[in-house]
Amino acid sequence: TQLLEQSPQFLSIQEGENLTVYCNSSSVFSSLQWYRQEPGEGPVLLVTVVTGGEVKKLKRLTFQFGDARKDSSLHITAAQPGDTGLYLCAGAEEGNKLVFGAGTILRVKS
Amino acid sequence: EPEVTQTPSHQVTQMGQEVILRCVPISNHLYFYWYRQILGQKVEFLVSFYNNEISEKSEIFDDQFSVERPDGSNFTLKIRSTKLEDSAMYFCASSESTLNEQFFGPGTRLTVL
Repeated sequence: TQLLEQSPQFLSIQEGENLTVYCNSSSVFSSLQWYRQEPGEGPVLLVTVVTGGEVKKLKRLTFQFGDARKDSSLHITAAQPGDTGLYLCAGAEEGNKLVFGAGTILRVKS
Repeated sequence: EPEVTQTPSHQVTQMGQEVILRCVPISNHLYFYWYRQILGQKVEFLVSFYNNEISEKSEIFDDQFSVERPDGSNFTLKIRSTKLEDSAMYFCASSESTLNEQFFGPGTRLTVL
């Protein structure tokens, strides 16, 4: 099983600041998915990136897949308190088995 | 919007008892999965299921675990004799194909006493 390392583990910022969360692996994934998870709930899909170098935007969130399809980043512009939560990256191995990172806990203070 | 549903939301059981966790995947999806998340740890893959067969299973998915699609809508995970270490959130997920993203249910919190 491949491993995904997420960084940072925790991030506490002020409303309006920008932030980037990283997801890195030494292995190649067929795709990479970003989820957001609230306490006691299931992961909610934010985006899937498939092609190396791909960039996807979802309002103030920008997702990028590395050229070699081994790493990804999530950038949030002008963070808001509603962005507070746990952000998970998950790489798809052959057969679509997902390997999850440990997650980044984001807290946005108003 | 279609979603994956799971029941029960919380299950408390005694060690050694059998439990069945139920999931209703999104209706046009063909691939089904179970994952678990022990408190404070990563989400871990347990098993994938397609065409009434297990496609892949992890080391966690030992002989105590089984999955079934008893009818056209439900997908179940059975733990035959629960252990304390089985206490976790169990998530069901489904996808249209192995090339598509997976959508997760809200989870069942299993507590083994």
